[in-house]
Amino acid sequence: KAGVTQTPRYLIKTRGQQVTLSCSPISGHRSVSWYQQTPGQGLQFLFEYFSETQRNKGNFPGRFSGRQFSNSRSEMNVSTLELGDSALYLCASSLVSAGGEQYFGPGTRLTVT
Amino acid sequence: SQELEQSPQSLIVQEGKNLTINCTSSKTLYGLYWYKQKYGEGLIFLMMLQKGGEEKSHEKITAKLDEKKQQSSLHITASQPSHAGIYLCGADTRGGSEKLVFGKGTKLTVNP
Repeated sequence: KAGVTQTPRYLIKTRGQQVTLSCSPISGHRSVSWYQQTPGQGLQFLFEYFSETQRNKGNFPGRFSGRQFSNSRSEMNVSTLELGDSALYLCASSLVSAGGEQYFGPGTRLTVT
Repeated sequence: SQELEQSPQSLIVQEGKNLTINCTSSKTLYGLYWYKQKYGEGLIFLMMLQKGGEEKSHEKITAKLDEKKQQSSLHITASQPSHAGIYLCGADTRGGSEKLVFGKGTKLTVNP
């Protein structure tokens, strides 16, 4: 079975721009969670989608949004980028619930200049 | 404040030595997960613990969850350079909107 894939792997954007990241979960997995990882804050939960519905949301501003498609693929969007948005963005998929065993993708390294 | 505290933050050991990483919470842990991460890459699932007193082993790595379900330890026996990386504990505390919260990680270096 193919693992979780994320595209692109690396991205450089300037302040004020917007960005869209993509995540394809393991086949059959219906839950996709997104995380932001920075050296200072560690791994922080952004949101979780299950069957195209956002089920949980972390404490991030509204500039961070996401969606999930009928094939369980998910995208997250960050608008009006700030320098502090530079981070590794990880997505994880699980069969049913994000509270269970999650499988992580390799991440997208976003650099905002 | 961080819900999950990991200690130590970093650890340097000689190959062949044993080591322990701790993960402590102020809340009851309904599920405790250990992951390993190579720098800048995704997380690799190691083990999941759910019951108080539960202990699981995989190869030379053993994880335990205490009876009160507020502390977990990860023990590596006879460490090897392949064990190097960042170890993170994640937990379902059911305390807020987050489904899982994570510790800040323990960076392990194993010198040959």
